[in-house]
Amino acid sequence: QQQVKQSPQSLIVQKGGISIINCAYENTAFDYFPWYQQFPGKGPALLIAIRPDVSEKKEGRFTISFNKSAKQFSLHIMDSQPGDSATYFCAASRGANNLFFGTGTRLTVIP
Amino acid sequence: DAGVIQSPRHEVTEMGQEVTLRCKPISGHNSLFWYRQTMMRGLELLIYFNNNVPIDDSGMPEDRFSAKMPNASFSTLKIQPSEPRDSAVYFCASSVNRGAGLFFGSGTQLSVL
Repeated sequence: QQQVKQSPQSLIVQKGGISIINCAYENTAFDYFPWYQQFPGKGPALLIAIRPDVSEKKEGRFTISFNKSAKQFSLHIMDSQPGDSATYFCAASRGANNLFFGTGTRLTVIP
Repeated sequence: DAGVIQSPRHEVTEMGQEVTLRCKPISGHNSLFWYRQTMMRGLELLIYFNNNVPIDDSGMPEDRFSAKMPNASFSTLKIQPSEPRDSAVYFCASSVNRGAGLFFGSGTQLSVL
């Protein structure tokens, strides 16, 4: 059973556009929601994370929006750049002991 | 800091052979995680250690898989005997404490023929 459901599977965005990736979870005990970025041949790298006591967190061009009642969270990449082209994974855990990852979204930013 | 270091980067072996993957976590990190990544199943947690002690190994697929952490700076994941369905990228990750972000190594691409 997939603990975290992620969509879309792939995304193509024009340079300068906004990339939006969505995730949903079921376990209300989850209290840590990170996003990871993975380039080919590399391991996932922590991009940004949020806890359920806030509804939004912004770091540069990356923003997490969190909706606790809907059990959903999303990643917004503003002013998307070709260098942002990568696979993005959402994840969730209780206390970050055991991260459950989404299936990933392959983002392509077209120049 | 050199980050999480994994070796080898690539491993090609024949079915039935023993495979050992190695990991050096970031100095000072006290939690270590082994993940497996495949196209079909995505990222799966196999086992994690806290202060060198295995905490949860429920993700280890079967008895052919074993993991050890003899000290704070080294861990191994062993597959014996290996099978073609074990082919995947195996990642090691470490964390300064549970609740902080995980830092992943570059992975070991394992191919079992």
